[in-house]
Amino acid sequence: EPEVTQTPSHQVTQMGQEVILRCVPISNHLYFYWYRQILGQKVEFLVSFYNNEISEKSEIFDDQFSVERPDGSNFTLKIRSTKLEDSAMYFCASSEFPGPPNYGYTFGSGTRLTVV
Amino acid sequence: AQSVTQLDSHVSVSEGTPVLLRCNYSSSYSPSLFWYVQHPNKGLQLLLKYTSAATLVKGINGFEAEFKKSETSFHLTKPSAHMSDAAEYFCVVTRTGNQFYFGTGTSLTVIP
Repeated sequence: EPEVTQTPSHQVTQMGQEVILRCVPISNHLYFYWYRQILGQKVEFLVSFYNNEISEKSEIFDDQFSVERPDGSNFTLKIRSTKLEDSAMYFCASSEFPGPPNYGYTFGSGTRLTVV
Repeated sequence: AQSVTQLDSHVSVSEGTPVLLRCNYSSSYSPSLFWYVQHPNKGLQLLLKYTSAATLVKGINGFEAEFKKSETSFHLTKPSAHMSDAAEYFCVVTRTGNQFYFGTGTSLTVIP
């Protein structure tokens, strides 16, 4: 069964550093997403991406965050100048069709980011 | 506004006994509802989805859920728990657009 692959599975970074979380979506999918889950809290939507553009973003997704599809296979989330409160599990997802109403996404296994 | 409430943060059942994971939703319009499961060190896997068709939805691994509009509920059930069902379960609601709204999750433990 096709999978969404996320690397690394766990990353530790010092406060103020930049991190890049990487995702390889399913090859025929066109819509990409990032979600995060702070420990003990709900999984929250960050951003959706289609046709090399952000299609929707939450209020969490401020100027500290950016996304990119640098080549035909990778989808990255960059966090500049990390803060302690950025520590969370970050999930990448992809879908073949837009929007969730009739389709579920395929999620990756997540990257646990720890900011120290 | 849309949200889901998972009423139990942790459920423990004996192997072979029924499973009930409760979810109530809040949505201004007709929602789409999903259940996802996350096994340790794995991604979020879609179990089943309700999208305004049949109110009783069957999913993978013997799970099913019933959409009850009058009770604003979408509880997940399975007649007989298996050890491999031990995982974290998330109820998710959406109406349109690209955003999913997750519940806080229910951790299911299956006792041999």
